[in-house]
This record gives sequence, structure tokens and C-alpha cells, in this order.
Amino acid sequence: ETGVTQTPRHLVMGMTNKKSLKCEQHLGHNAMYWYKQSAKKPLELMFVYSLEERVENNSVPSRFSPECPNSSHLFLHLHTLQPEDSALYLCASSQVLKVNGFSGNTIYFGEGSWLTVV
Amino acid sequence: AQKITQTQPGMFVQEKEAVTLDCTYDTSDQSYGLFWYKQPSSGEMIFLIYQGSYDEQNATEGRYSLNFQKARKSANLVISASQLGDSAMYFCAMREGGGGADGLTFGKGTHLIIQP
Repeated sequence: ETGVTQTPRHLVMGMTNKKSLKCEQHLGHNAMYWYKQSAKKPLELMFVYSLEERVENNSVPSRFSPECPNSSHLFLHLHTLQPEDSALYLCASSQVLKVNGFSGNTIYFGEGSWLTVV
Repeated sequence: AQKITQTQPGMFVQEKEAVTLDCTYDTSDQSYGLFWYKQPSSGEMIFLIYQGSYDEQNATEGRYSLNFQKARKSANLVISASQLGDSAMYFCAMREGGGGADGLTFGKGTHLIIQP
């Protein structure tokens, strides 16, 4: 059983719909991430939340709206998506250290939400 | 320029043979970490092994080992005694800089198929 759970696992939505993806981590981590994985493209980092504050937004269109109400939960709100937004959306978490210097800081992923926009 | 390069889009390997998956990386940072993940067809990204840039020993985790050659900027994954369940996509990834909340940069992956 994964320490990061995502719901729903599969979602089909029309271009005018509004839906949300949910992620919950049970690992006690303080950073959470959304990644997008399209066919034949490397994983793309979309958003990073550290200590519940958004610290990175990689030029993601505004039709994707993240929300992090606490360190254990992360949402991705979807509205007026395009067919090219169909992809696997992966949530992840890690423990951010508060001191300088490098650490393994492994990122653990959920099982992903398969999104199809029709 | 790509930061992570995986030159093998697909590989077929006989069961019980050892497998080496190639990964080269590009960074000017002195501190960085290298990661390998496995992704079965179900979609979950499973963490396999980690190597820090300052680690002198190659990382090992069970049947997985990371052949780290810093001067060549390569971090190949070696799977010993492959099993049918090893069939999956394998991704090499890197985090640069300090231990913050930075995300990982991923390669395009290698599709490994283990044949009986």
C-alpha cells in the first residue's frame, strides 16, 4: 500500500466541466508536488508546495489550480481543460530539511490519476 | 540541453540475466542527487535507489545497484538476476542543489521487458 493516495484513479471529463483531483500523504512529509506525465514526454513538474506554501509554478496554464489546505492534502482543480491535457497526473511528497546541505530527500509518488478530456 | 539522458528507449532481457540501464546527467552543481524509479503499467512511480553526489560508495538496495561514475556523469542502474516482475518503465531523475523542496528532473525512461 502506497503512502501517497490519489483519487480518482480514472477521470473522464468534458471540456466545460469542473473537476478536482485529490491527493493525501500518510508519510508525515512537509512538501507535496503535482507532476504531469503525457505520452512520450518526460514527467513535467507542475506545482510544489512546501510547508503549505506554493514555492514553484512551472508556467502551468490557469485552467489548473492547485490547493494545499494542510501538509497532508493536495488538490488539483480542473476547469475548461483541453484534449491535450489528457495525461497521467502524479502527486508526490517529500520531507524538506530545514538546514543547508544536500540530502536524499526522496520524493514518493502516488499511483496517479488518469485523466481523459473529451 | 537535456539534463537527464536515457539512451535506451526499450530493452528485452532474458529472465535471470543482469540488466544495466543507462543514465547520463548534466549539472554544474557540486551537490546533487540521482534517483531511479520504476513505473509499472498501473502508473505508480516506485522509488528504487538514490545516490548522492558526495557518496563515495555505489548505492545498493537488494537486487538494485547504482553504478555511479562521477567524472563521466553517469548513474547506471544495474538489476541483478532479473525477474518477470521487473518488466516496467524505468526513469532516472536528478535533484540539483540543497535539500529543499525542489522537484526532480526526469529522463524519458527505458521500457524494460523481461522474457521467460
